[in-house]
Amino acid sequence: DTGVSQDPRHKITKRGQNVTFRCDPISEHNRLYWYRQTLGQGPEFLTYFQNEAQLEKSRLLSDRFSAERPKGSFSTLEIQRTEQGDSAMYLCASSLAYRGRLEQFFGPGTRLTVL
Amino acid sequence: TQLLEQSPQFLSIQEGENLTVYCNSSSVFSSLQWYRQEPGEGPVLLVTVVTGGEVKKLKRLTFQFGDARKDSSLHITAAQPGDTGLYLCAPWALEAGNMLTFGGGTRLMVKP
Repeated sequence: DTGVSQDPRHKITKRGQNVTFRCDPISEHNRLYWYRQTLGQGPEFLTYFQNEAQLEKSRLLSDRFSAERPKGSFSTLEIQRTEQGDSAMYLCASSLAYRGRLEQFFGPGTRLTVL
Repeated sequence: TQLLEQSPQFLSIQEGENLTVYCNSSSVFSSLQWYRQEPGEGPVLLVTVVTGGEVKKLKRLTFQFGDARKDSSLHITAAQPGDTGLYLCAPWALEAGNMLTFGGGTRLMVKP
C-alpha cells in the first residue's frame, strides 16, 4: 500500500454543477477525514468517519455537501450545485489512533475550480 | 476552541541560513504534528512530538515540544531550496476528540 490516494487530482466545473471526489485511505486505517484548504490557509476540517460511521461534521459542511464511506473503505465527497466559493483544495486523510497521539496521513488532494 | 498561531507567516531566506518557526497556543495538547506541504500536494507528516520538552531531529530539522505542551518550534539548519514549502503544525488535544486543528502555516522560501 502506497498511501492515501485521491481522484481526480483536478476538477474544473461550471457553477451549479455537481461534483464527486473519491478517497482511498491506507488499507489498515479505520479513520478517514475530509478537509478543505484555500490558498494561503491551513486545512479546515469538514468531516470524519470511523469505519462506515460519519461521526463528526463541521459547520462548514453545508447542505450541499455530503460524504459517504459505505463499506468502511473508500469515501466519496459530493458537492451539489457548486458555487465559486467552493473552489479549493479538498484533502483526504486517514489515521490509526493510539494512545497519546493522532497521526493523519494525507492524500495529494483534489483541486476544484468552479467557473 | 483553541487558538493556534504560527509565526512567522512568511519567511524568505538564502540557502545556507538557519531559521526557526513557531507554533503557539494557550491550550495544553496531548501531542503535536508538524507537516510540510508543497504547492499542489497534500501535507506530508514530518514528526509527532508527545512529551513536554521533547526534542526530535530529522536530518537538518529539529523539532521541540514546549515543557508545558502548549507550543512547539521547528529549527532548520543550513536551509536548502528543497526545504521550500508550507510548514503546518497540528496539535491534538484529547478533548477535541478525533480531530486535528491546523495552524495557518509558515510559508518558507529558500533561495539558491
